Amino acid sequence: DIVLTQAPLSVSVTPGESASISCRSSKSLLSSKGITSLYWYLQRPGKSPQLLIYQMSNLASGVPDRFSSSGSETDFTLKISKVETEDVGVYYCGHRLEYPLTFGSGTKLEIK
Amino acid sequence: EVQLVESGGGLVQPGRSMKLSCAASGFTFNNYDMAWVCQAPKKGLEWVATISYDGSSTYYRDSVKGRFTISRDNAKSTLYLQMDSLRSEDTATYYCARGRIDYWGQGVMVTVSS
Repeated sequence: DIVLTQAPLSVSVTPGESASISCRSSKSLLSSKGITSLYWYLQRPGKSPQLLIYQMSNLASGVPDRFSSSGSETDFTLKISKVETEDVGVYYCGHRLEYPLTFGSGTKLEIK
Repeated sequence: EVQLVESGGGLVQPGRSMKLSCAASGFTFNNYDMAWVCQAPKKGLEWVATISYDGSSTYYRDSVKGRFTISRDNAKSTLYLQMDSLRSEDTATYYCARGRIDYWGQGVMVTVSS
């Protein structure tokens, strides 16, 4: 199974500043079709997860461009610019390369 | 607007069965693979199962193989998860999700306890 390791476990950010979350995969997530199968989700408190980023760097519909993602075949970074209070929650990376699908253990973002 | 509405959760005794349903709307259901993802209390996300758009292929995590069955009724735009031989460790919120897990339902809680 592909293991996704997220860091840090939690991050505390002042509104208006930036935050970065790392996700490292135990295997290359580059598919035979040339697509990097890495996804980012945000789960706000008491809510269902929502998709933020698909295929490593593509912003999902309705997601503000304060969110961005980049990486290689195994190392990925989600960056949140100008953090707002609504960004509070747990961020998960996940892959769709093969079964079983797996997720990282999550990074909790809090506001200072 | 894509909507996924789960139902069928609740309290069930170990060893018993439960069937979850997910009513989909706002998209062409039979064009998409569908999945179930669960989240144990205060824990992270775990993929459970996926079914192909036409129901011809199914995939399961190892811990539920032989106990859970994912199915769909494209005429009714509804996804199902039949859960048999339930264990306490199956206690979780179960989310219905579309395709490559882009849209999620609100989730339904399943508690396995005597």
